[in-house]
Amino acid sequence: DAGVTQTPRHEVAEKGQTIILKCEPVSGHNDLFWYRQTKIQGLELLSYFRSKSLMEDGGAFKDRFKAEMLNSSFSTLKIQPTEPKDSAVYLCASSLRGGNYAEQFFGPGTRLTVL
Amino acid sequence: QQKVQQSPESLTVSEGAMASLNCTFSDGTSDNFRWYRQHSGKGLEMLVSIFSDGEKEEGRFTAHLNRASLHVSLHIREPQPSDSAVYLCAVSMHMGYKLTFGTGTSLLVDP
Repeated sequence: DAGVTQTPRHEVAEKGQTIILKCEPVSGHNDLFWYRQTKIQGLELLSYFRSKSLMEDGGAFKDRFKAEMLNSSFSTLKIQPTEPKDSAVYLCASSLRGGNYAEQFFGPGTRLTVL
Repeated sequence: QQKVQQSPESLTVSEGAMASLNCTFSDGTSDNFRWYRQHSGKGLEMLVSIFSDGEKEEGRFTAHLNRASLHVSLHIREPQPSDSAVYLCAVSMHMGYKLTFGTGTSLLVDP
């Protein structure tokens, strides 16, 4: 079984650009998460989908970050416009069942550098 | 707001010696505690998940939870160089999907 796939693995953007990160969850999983990882803040939840419905949209990240589930097997995270402080690793994770305490399976991440 | 802190920030142990990592959390109503491992350039791999006070063993990895002390630890028995990675503690509350992570302990196992 394929795990969570993320593309691209690395992205370099100029300040003000629009970038789109992609994620394919584990086949058959119902829940999908987007996280941002930095050394100082650790992992922060950006978005959470349960069966394609947006359940959490990340509060402070709302204005320039938009996650979508285009279908049950594909999600995107758009950052528009990018700022240097967005430089981080963006992780996507999926879990099998809706609800609590389910194990989240993580992709390898996309490392974003904004110049 | 939940705060999760890990110590030490980095740790070096010799192959075969026990490695012990610590995690403290601020909200005593937290009800699920997980340890993840992250090798460089890879995603997170869950090692152990614990709900109740006491210990939970998964292979060479044992988690100890003391909710009254707001403390959960991870002990790695007979660590190997392949265990060199960043170890992350994650804590959840009533809505189990929402995990608050610590910033990690970087473990180096010397052969």
